[in-house]
Amino acid sequence: RKEVEQDPGPFNVPEGATVAFNCTYSNSASQSFFWYRQDCRKEPKLLMSVYSSGNEDGRFTAQLNRASQYISLLIRDSKLSDSATYLCVVNVPPDSWGKLQFGAGTQVVVTP
Amino acid sequence: GAVVSQHPSWVICKSGTSVKIECRSLDFQATTMFWYRQFPKKSLMLMATSNEGSKATYEQGVEKDKFLINHASLTLSTLTVTSAHPEDSSFYICSARRMDRSNQPQHFGDGTRLSIL
Repeated sequence: RKEVEQDPGPFNVPEGATVAFNCTYSNSASQSFFWYRQDCRKEPKLLMSVYSSGNEDGRFTAQLNRASQYISLLIRDSKLSDSATYLCVVNVPPDSWGKLQFGAGTQVVVTP
Repeated sequence: GAVVSQHPSWVICKSGTSVKIECRSLDFQATTMFWYRQFPKKSLMLMATSNEGSKATYEQGVEKDKFLINHASLTLSTLTVTSAHPEDSSFYICSARRMDRSNQPQHFGDGTRLSIL
């Protein structure tokens, strides 16, 4: 079983629509969770950290479910510029900001 | 602006050549840097953790004699792919851990696309 698993997609989303997708992680001791965005042939860029109570950053909402070991990302009012691969990232215990484990990414394609 | 610089961005070379990739932290000191490799449509895989002033820690399955890491200063780590072969062609990305005033665990370089012919 992969340590961080994501639906690869692609999720084809009309502009203005909402899209949501999950990620599951295997290590119950992980404490830090992030969503990164990666554009084609580019480095990953931090989109947002994911907090226990869930958090929102503009059109992006992240949730964490520790019991079921998954995190989610919801994008509202999708823009064409949201087209990218979204990487779920989890820390490798015990260091909460040390080594990271990356999912393979969920591809989102926003269409006009 | 970028806080981690990686160089070169793109390398194409013949099989058997050794290739050196540099990773620099631009405005902070990084005692720890990380080297990743990413194949198309796959996740970033951690290759090794580079520690300033000491030997790198390699992940299981990564050949330390093949991928030489040197972290001689607080702002520079280098990865040398020795005697590269076509199967080493990949996207190599470094990151640096910033201990002061950072809102994220690691800052990533732009990546190096390595193509071995």
